[in-house]
Amino acid sequence: ETGVTQSPTHLIKTRGQQVTLRCSSQSGHNTVSWYQQALGQGPQFIFQYYREEENGRGNFPPRFSGLQFPNYSSELNVNALELDDSALYLCASSPGTGAIGNTIYFGEGSWLTVV
Amino acid sequence: QKEVEQNSGPLSVPEGAIASLNCTYSDRGSQSFFWYRQYSGKSPELIMFIYSNGDKEDGRFTAQLNKASQYVSLLIRDSQPSDSATYLCAVGNNAGNMLTFGGGTRLMVKP
Repeated sequence: ETGVTQSPTHLIKTRGQQVTLRCSSQSGHNTVSWYQQALGQGPQFIFQYYREEENGRGNFPPRFSGLQFPNYSSELNVNALELDDSALYLCASSPGTGAIGNTIYFGEGSWLTVV
Repeated sequence: QKEVEQNSGPLSVPEGAIASLNCTYSDRGSQSFFWYRQYSGKSPELIMFIYSNGDKEDGRFTAQLNKASQYVSLLIRDSQPSDSATYLCAVGNNAGNMLTFGGGTRLMVKP
């Protein structure tokens, strides 16, 4: 139990639709990162938010966007869904941008299937 | 583009044997290295982290780092069927809070 909760756990969307995934960070953690993990691959970094500001972005197009709220919960939004967006989306929280990897906590993820 | 490479496996070992998992990375300036275990359908779980050259032991797990050769490895002693999972190698950025993952090695421990 990491204290990081994600919703929904599973969802199915149609190509072209939009999706919003949610993450509640562990108490006291002000930094949230999102990762995409396609089947059979390792997680890929999408972006990170620190105190409501984007603080780094991986190689993902602008249709992947995010928000972090004052209570440090976070959303990942994906517009114009494509079949290749089907993946496990992982939220990871940490107590600050200077935190080291041993204090990154992953949620259980949201499984997105695009048909 | 920073890269982290792992053999996808599966690596099959008998129960009680030593499992050896390897990982290479491309960014010579990398300073922090992590091993995660991921059971099927679950999220990654941190097993070990290592920052300095040499060995680091924690129970049945030993992480080994060689920065000159740019590789990091994980040894699992006395492997158990419950160790069967995918093992992900990850390299941290300078702040240590953004991770670049390898593709993972699937380990199968046979009773």
